[in-house]
Amino acid sequence: KQEVTQIPAALSVPEGENLVLNCSFTDSAIYNLQWFRQDPGKGLTSLLLIQSSQREQTSGRLNASLDKSSGRSTLYIAASQPGDSATYLCAVRPFGNEKLTFGTGTRLTIIP
Amino acid sequence: DAGVTQSPTHLIKTRGQQVTLRCSPKSGHDTVSWYQQALGQGPQFIFQYYEEEERQRGNFPDRFSGHQFPNYSSELNVNALLLGDSALYLCASSSRQGPYNEQFFGPGTRLTVL
Repeated sequence: KQEVTQIPAALSVPEGENLVLNCSFTDSAIYNLQWFRQDPGKGLTSLLLIQSSQREQTSGRLNASLDKSSGRSTLYIAASQPGDSATYLCAVRPFGNEKLTFGTGTRLTIIP
Repeated sequence: DAGVTQSPTHLIKTRGQQVTLRCSPKSGHDTVSWYQQALGQGPQFIFQYYEEEERQRGNFPDRFSGHQFPNYSSELNVNALLLGDSALYLCASSSRQGPYNEQFFGPGTRLTVL
């Protein structure tokens, strides 16, 4: 059974700092991995999707990496801004079906 | 493109009642998945519909049922509501014709069971 872990559960950093969020998964047989952002009480916004054959994806100030062999992914946020404050969730999808397994998220607070 | 839409936004029910939640997928998408997100937790997969049939199901009791219509929209029904059913219910849509079947999520329906 796939298990996804995100540590830390919460993180506070001053504005302008670069930061890294971590995601680990127990079963390396994944089809892809997605990073999502969730604002309080809202739905999920997809940030980056990495296919199992890829090592990283970039979008603006965000960079996500994937190491399947070690069961890890990181989300790097450069030059953090107060608007980046949200909960960040990672989810993995196995081969052969579309069920996403989510971690419990990291609640990020950027201090102005 | 309106993206994935869900209705209602909020809902309050009492124990034992039944509830129906609705989802319209993103334009061009043919597959709808439903997730339950309890407070402070990650979303949990309930089930997925494609071609008007349930294709996959997570670890949820039969009280949770669904339907997909010919226009690809979907409903989630929950019978005999329990306090523990209080959660944010998320709908996600995708296309089996797309390269990665990336799932796009709606804003969710907040269900409170009293």
